[in-house]
Amino acid sequence: DAGVIQSPRHEVTEMGQEVTLRCKPISGHNSLFWYRQTMMRGLELLIYFNNNVPIDDSGMPEDRFSAKMPNASFSTLKIQPSEPRDSAVYFCASSLLAGAPDTQYFGPGTRLTVL
Amino acid sequence: QKEVEQNSGPLSVPEGAIASLNCTYSDRGSQSFFWYRQYSGKSPELIMSIYSNGDKEDGRFTAQLNKASQYVSLLIRDSQPSDSATYLCAVNTPLSGGYQKVTFGTGTKLQVIP
Repeated sequence: DAGVIQSPRHEVTEMGQEVTLRCKPISGHNSLFWYRQTMMRGLELLIYFNNNVPIDDSGMPEDRFSAKMPNASFSTLKIQPSEPRDSAVYFCASSLLAGAPDTQYFGPGTRLTVL
Repeated sequence: QKEVEQNSGPLSVPEGAIASLNCTYSDRGSQSFFWYRQYSGKSPELIMSIYSNGDKEDGRFTAQLNKASQYVSLLIRDSQPSDSATYLCAVNTPLSGGYQKVTFGTGTKLQVIP
């Protein structure tokens, strides 16, 4: 299996621009997670999907952030408009079991820099 | 109070020594506990999970759980330079509808000195 796939791996954009991050979970996994990691705040859960349905989005910072999972093999995280404080590494992770804690497999991450 | 707390370190140990990493959590309803290792510039990977009070051993790694004290630890015996990484403690927290999410600590950076 190729593991969790994320694109792009690096993104540099200017303040105010729209940013779209993409994720393909491991085939057969039922849960998908978007995280943001910074030195100051560590690894923060942004949103959690189970069987393509958002279960918990309490970590989404504000309305500028949105996430979708149109099918079991694809998810996007969109930031519009982007701000310098959004600069971080964004990880997507997936796990097999639904509704229970389980090993999460992380993608390689997208390093976002907003100038 | 943060949901999951770890000392950020760095924790420096000589090669061959035992490294002890600690974590406390706030939700008494938590039932599942995980340790992830993250090398610099890489993504986290699971190294241990523990669900019951006591010790769980896997090779050079031992996870310890004390639910009464809300305390989880990870011991690494015979530490190697390749163990140098950031270790993230993760704890499940209940959500409505029977779902659960995993909350991560900010991690402890371990440096193993040759």
